[in-house]
Amino acid sequence: SQQGEEDPQALSIQEGENATMNCSYKTSINNLQWYRQNSGRGLVHLILIRSNEREKHSGRLRVTLDTSKKSSSLLITASRAADTASYFCATDGGGSNYKLTFGKGTLLTVNP
Amino acid sequence: ETGVTQSPTHLIKTRGQQVTLRCSSQSGHNTVSWYQQALGQGPQFIFQYYREEENGRGNFPPRFSGLQFPNYSSELNVNALELDDSALYLCASSFGASGGTKETQYFGPGTRLLVL
Repeated sequence: SQQGEEDPQALSIQEGENATMNCSYKTSINNLQWYRQNSGRGLVHLILIRSNEREKHSGRLRVTLDTSKKSSSLLITASRAADTASYFCATDGGGSNYKLTFGKGTLLTVNP
Repeated sequence: ETGVTQSPTHLIKTRGQQVTLRCSSQSGHNTVSWYQQALGQGPQFIFQYYREEENGRGNFPPRFSGLQFPNYSSELNVNALELDDSALYLCASSFGASGGTKETQYFGPGTRLLVL
């Protein structure tokens, strides 16, 4: 079953604009991670935010986490055509194996 | 590049056949997780291996099985292939301290399996 749900399912913007993607989840988590996937290839890890953190930055990426609302957002600033990809949030709900539960992803298209 | 490699990159099989997919974990990692990603969906957790033992399993039937070797590389075996097994199979390696991992999982490029 999918735990995280990304919103929107698809997003199309112009180069230089900011892109915001949201993720909601259902159960308590240890951490939440964002991944990028280009054209059905492997997943590239972008950023991990722990349940006791509220905001984290990495380069042009900004991630927020609101555990009371069970939601997270990923902001990509000054987008580039190379940012075109699918973006997934993945939650780690603890237990003995810390399996990642993914949403269906947001397909971001950045037009040059 | 994550340092996680998978082989083969593509594979075509027919229904009822068996397949073995391979994954080499990143140096220093002792945990390997396998995921299935159907077209247009997010990855689904199949199972995880930690120090050569299965350490959790998702909602997949027993015909999905795995192994982890002393060098922490891993295999995913699927018996009696069905058409719905067509998907991208991803492995992810990570470091776990006492079973499982709270840390980042690094994914390989995947093996695309087509079952005809």
